[in-house]
Amino acid sequence: DAGITQSPRYKITETGRQVTLMCHQTWSHSYMFWYRQDLGHGLRLIYYSAAADITDKGEVPDGYVVSRSKTENFPLTLESATRSQTSVYFCASSESRESYNEQFFGPGTRLTVL
Amino acid sequence: KNQVEQSPQSLIILEGKNCTLQCNYTVSPFSNLRWYKQDTGRGPVSLTIMTFSENTKSNGRYTATLDADTKQSSLHITASQLSDSASYICVARGYSTLTFGKGTMLLVSP
Repeated sequence: DAGITQSPRYKITETGRQVTLMCHQTWSHSYMFWYRQDLGHGLRLIYYSAAADITDKGEVPDGYVVSRSKTENFPLTLESATRSQTSVYFCASSESRESYNEQFFGPGTRLTVL
Repeated sequence: KNQVEQSPQSLIILEGKNCTLQCNYTVSPFSNLRWYKQDTGRGPVSLTIMTFSENTKSNGRYTATLDADTKQSSLHITASQLSDSASYICVARGYSTLTFGKGTMLLVSP
């Protein structure tokens, strides 16, 4: 199906484990983003990418690693998960950085770190 | 510091009634403001976008207003339906920044 997908949709892991959240988009959008959403904070930007092999930090990047070897994929890795990283993670994409461009969001991954 | 404040935090209304959600922003320079609807368990979906030169824009039963002088926006929902139950998020864009509000949780009761 066309659009933006995330996997897994739900994940439970333990403190200290590495976990990777996947994001895939079929629009060939240049920009991709990772957000986390927590009660009381709204959406906060973790990392974003302007193109393949170009990534940059957002507001809350600590504890996360991203890569973008292909335009359509933008995985987010928690190298050593902590309880504070329990959250809902959203991936988004947009055509360009032009101010009018809408970001299209994936369905989210609910991550629980025990 | 760029900020977006939304009110109320949550709202319960009866089906068929109207409601208005508020968004105050301090983003400079200001480019545009977008309202998103987020259904439970889903990602946000854009409802409408307002640039600084636009005062009102409608999308079906949703009408957004923008006052760039007072840095305020509102989202008015007419004749609410059960499917309008969702979180509504206001997002203000600056030159190279996006600032998200925390959202207003709307529950439409039968």
